[in-house]
Amino acid sequence: GAVVSQHPSWVICKSGTSVKIECRSLDFQATTMFWYRQFPKQSLMLMATSNEGSKATYEQGVEKDKFLINHASLTLSTLTVTSAHPEDSSFYICSAQGGYYEQYFGPGTRLTVT
Amino acid sequence: GESVGLHLPTLSVQEGDNSIINCAYSNSASDYFIWYKQESGKGPQFIIDIRSNMDKRQGQRVTVLLNKTVKHLSLQIAATQPGDSAVYFCAENPPSYGKLTFGQGTILTVHP
Repeated sequence: GAVVSQHPSWVICKSGTSVKIECRSLDFQATTMFWYRQFPKQSLMLMATSNEGSKATYEQGVEKDKFLINHASLTLSTLTVTSAHPEDSSFYICSAQGGYYEQYFGPGTRLTVT
Repeated sequence: GESVGLHLPTLSVQEGDNSIINCAYSNSASDYFIWYKQESGKGPQFIIDIRSNMDKRQGQRVTVLLNKTVKHLSLQIAATQPGDSAVYFCAENPPSYGKLTFGQGTILTVHP
């Protein structure tokens, strides 16, 4: 149980285009999901907290107009990287909160912007 | 706090040895701690957790030790195997923050 999926697993896009990444909790409902960014050989950096039915809460330094988050249902959150640039290339990971403490992570999405 | 921009420390061991991975956490109010394993190109995988009212917890081949006095967490892996090679992260849950804060991470390499 407690499986989280992400789609796509990898994506290559041209600079200036937008990319949408989906995060789904497959066998449980998650009112809260989290989006992380990870650069090579570095730790996970929390970008934002996604709450079902309300606006996302962004961490300091994360541009909310560039990283649009939508949590339309209890099993789906999406992250849209708008007007992507090469510096946005990274590994994006979502997690879904299954209880007060538990977070279940997705497999990640590798974004490459050319 | 976050460790963005720092390169991860490494630990190399021989297959069959015991491994000890250490983590210093930042918030003395944190009440829950987790160890994650992350293989290359994959998301973090839960290994073991411990609450602040405990100082030791054992799982299958893994043991987590918590020293709240010095804000230190360790993960012990017994009889390390090549499949254990990965990056290991500790994470803490400060109640006031409500979100997990990840540590720097350690790259574990197991040589056959």
